Amino acid sequence: QQQVKQSPQSLIVQKGGISIINCAYENTAFDYFPWYQQFPGKGPALLIAIRPDVSEKKEGRFTISFNKSAKQFSLHIMDSQPGDSATYFCAADIIQGAQKLVFGQGTRLTINP
Amino acid sequence: NAGVTQTPKFQVLKTGQSMTLQCAQDMNHEYMSWYRQDPGMGLRLIHYSVGAGITDQGEVPNGYNVSRSTTEDFPLRLLSAAPSQTSVYFCASSRRDSNSPLHFGNGTRLTVT
Repeated sequence: QQQVKQSPQSLIVQKGGISIINCAYENTAFDYFPWYQQFPGKGPALLIAIRPDVSEKKEGRFTISFNKSAKQFSLHIMDSQPGDSATYFCAADIIQGAQKLVFGQGTRLTINP
Repeated sequence: NAGVTQTPKFQVLKTGQSMTLQCAQDMNHEYMSWYRQDPGMGLRLIHYSVGAGITDQGEVPNGYNVSRSTTEDFPLRLLSAAPSQTSVYFCASSRRDSNSPLHFGNGTRLTVT
């Protein structure tokens, strides 16, 4: 049972465009929603994260939008660059206790120059 | 600062063989965990540890053993490898603080024939 569902599986965006990746979760106890970025041959690295007490968080060109009632959150990459080409994973966790992230299936993003 | 170091980078096993995937971190992190990454499945938690001498099961623990005798090391043991364990394995560590990011190693690609 996939507790966090991510779409699309792959995405191609032109340089300068907006990349949007969506995630939906089932467990209403989740209260921490990070996004991880993974380059080929490397482990994932934290990109940006949000708690459900805010609806949006922005860090540079990266924005998380969060809709608690719909149990959905999304990553927006503004002015997408070829260097953003990577696999992106959304995840969810319950903040109390050990970190046991539940990951989405991943999105392979390609930014065409 | 090496961060999280995983060895080996690649391994091929025959069905029924055993092996240990090594993981070491030099950040004095309390939490350590093992994930496996499979296409279309994201990353799934195998086992985790909140400190030396304390381990617990994650989402997919069957066929794997762990121990944590020191803060730095968290090896993953496959006692009798099966083709279903063909995957990329990632070790991660984090501080105990809430919202602390997971720091991943660069993975071990395991093939079981």
